[in-house]
Amino acid sequence: EAQVTQNPRYLITVTGKKLTVTCSQNMNHEYMSWYRQDPGLGLRQIYYSMNVEVTDKGDVPEGYKVSRKEKRNFPLILESPSPNQTSLYFCASSLFGEKLFFGSGTQLSVL
Amino acid sequence: KQEVTQIPAALSVPEGENLVLNCSFTDSAIYNLQWFRQDPGKGLTSLLLIQSSQREQTSGRLNASLDKSSGRSTLYIAASQPGDSATYLCAVPPLGDSNYQLIWGAGTKLIIKP
Repeated sequence: EAQVTQNPRYLITVTGKKLTVTCSQNMNHEYMSWYRQDPGLGLRQIYYSMNVEVTDKGDVPEGYKVSRKEKRNFPLILESPSPNQTSLYFCASSLFGEKLFFGSGTQLSVL
Repeated sequence: KQEVTQIPAALSVPEGENLVLNCSFTDSAIYNLQWFRQDPGKGLTSLLLIQSSQREQTSGRLNASLDKSSGRSTLYIAASQPGDSATYLCAVPPLGDSNYQLIWGAGTKLIIKP
């Protein structure tokens, strides 16, 4: 089944404790992206990747890191999480110019 | 700079009605336009993608139209059902943006009353 898989689905952590949210797609998509969604602010892009080893900042990259060492994986790293990074996170992927596929989301709470 | 607007922000209609959701964009230079559905706390699902050269796309009870000259797209839902209740978002990648970044509308929250 074609899908974008994010893990974990829910995550509660404390300020400053490094964490990684994983994202994997099985559709051989070149393009992958991370979004956060907050009430009243809509979807905001954090980082995106056009292909392996090619990443770039989105609208709200501060406090986040990403890597694209393999085509299928695009992990999101929070080196030192803070409470303002509490949010619902989505990974997405697509072929260029085609439908965007989303993961199920990761609800992150930073205490 | 491209801006995408969806009006109304919320819509409540009785079951069985046909309805139209609106999406407006300020710059007609786009690659395509996509309509998504999002259920509460869940990921987005792409419903329809209309390429810039197309006028409409259909999938089941859904029909999306695109009028670039007026900067508008509509999503028509026929014979609405309670299961259609969700937030519907549209998004466009500006033409000329080689990084294919989507510009998102804020969404219309649709409630279908049984």
